[in-house]
Amino acid sequence: DAGVIQSPRHEVTEMGQEVTLRCKPISGHDYLFWYRQTMMRGLELLIYFNNNVPIDDSGMPEDRFSAKMPNASFSTLKIQPSEPRDSAVYFCASSFQVGQTQYFGPGTRLLVL
Amino acid sequence: GQQVMQIPQYQHVQEGEDFTTYCNSSTTLSNIQWYKQRPGGHPVFLIQLVKSGEVKKQKRLTFQFGEAKKNSSLHITATQTTDVGTYFCASGAGSYQLTFGKGTKLSVIP
Repeated sequence: DAGVIQSPRHEVTEMGQEVTLRCKPISGHDYLFWYRQTMMRGLELLIYFNNNVPIDDSGMPEDRFSAKMPNASFSTLKIQPSEPRDSAVYFCASSFQVGQTQYFGPGTRLLVL
Repeated sequence: GQQVMQIPQYQHVQEGEDFTTYCNSSTTLSNIQWYKQRPGGHPVFLIQLVKSGEVKKQKRLTFQFGEAKKNSSLHITATQTTDVGTYFCASGAGSYQLTFGKGTKLSVIP
């Protein structure tokens, strides 16, 4: 199994630009999670999906952030417009069950100038 | 989710010294998971504890779940430079997603 796949691995953009992060979960996992990690705030859960349906998006910081999961093998996290304070590492993770082991992707390191 | 607090936030040890990180909760936890994140890497699952008083070992790592299921610890014997990273505990069960602690960042001085 290839594990959770994320792209791009690195993204540098200018303030105001749209950023789209992509994730392919492990096949057969019904749950997909998006996290943001910074030095100041640690690992924060942004949103998670069950069978492609968003279950809890209370961690999404602002309306500038949106996430979709059009099918079981693909999810996107979009930031529009991006701001310097969005600079962070964004992880996608998947699991069989909601409270069980999560498998993290390699992350996308986002820098907004 | 089930809230967990981790201490210490940072730990610097000389290579060969032992290291322990603690995870505490005010409520009874259904389970506890431990993850390790190497510098520049992503969190990787280490182990899950479910039973009261459970102790599991992985080579130099010893994981414990408290009798009351409100705390857990990860102990590393004779640290090595390969142990460097951030160790997270996390808990969740049933309909709740995993809640991660803030992590303990371990530095090992050669």
